[in-house]
Amino acid sequence: AQSVTQPDIHITVSEGASLELRCNYSYGATPYLFWYVQSPGQGLQLLLKYFSGDTLVQGIKGFEAEFKRSQSSFNLRKPSVHWSDAAEYFCAVEANFGNEKLTFGTGTRLTIIP
Amino acid sequence: DVKVTQSSRYLVKRTGEKVFLECVQDMDHENMFWYRQDPGLGLRLIYFSYDVKMKEKGDIPEGYSVSREKKERFSLILESASTNQTSMYLCASKLAGLSTDTQYFGPGTRLTVL
Repeated sequence: AQSVTQPDIHITVSEGASLELRCNYSYGATPYLFWYVQSPGQGLQLLLKYFSGDTLVQGIKGFEAEFKRSQSSFNLRKPSVHWSDAAEYFCAVEANFGNEKLTFGTGTRLTIIP
Repeated sequence: DVKVTQSSRYLVKRTGEKVFLECVQDMDHENMFWYRQDPGLGLRLIYFSYDVKMKEKGDIPEGYSVSREKKERFSLILESASTNQTSMYLCASKLAGLSTDTQYFGPGTRLTVL
């Protein structure tokens, strides 16, 4: 069965600074990979997804993520954060034989300071 | 626009009560999911359904049941609510058979069991 690790529970970044959120997965093959964001009091919104092809994926709100097979990682990046990026971020994987089920990491809470 | 709605944003119930959480999607999606979200644990799958009247257990089905009588509606039932079921509950839906699609989430129901 697949699993996801987000090693950082909480990250604090200054507004305008760059951001990298880490995600490592465990799966026998290349899974489908997702990043979701949850703003306070809201449901989850998809930021980006990787299925195949180019390992650098662009998403909404200026986010990107890079799939690295050798490191079993799918880290999320943004070159310059905005105060509105303060939220909780979840990495998720789906087995690529299409069992339709997502396995989520425990999440990383992002705080932005002025 | 894709829309997943949940019947209540906040719910307070007493121990032993029967609780119904309703989820409706307007996208004609075959697959629907119920998760619970707890701090430090991320999202965990309770049940999912891939068609009307079909259901499958997720990772933490104990203490819950589900009902899917119509394609657009997926209900989560707590037969006898307990304090350890205090949590945020998220519903999601997904088009079946199109693995490159993603799950769409509702805003969540924060349930408190006293």
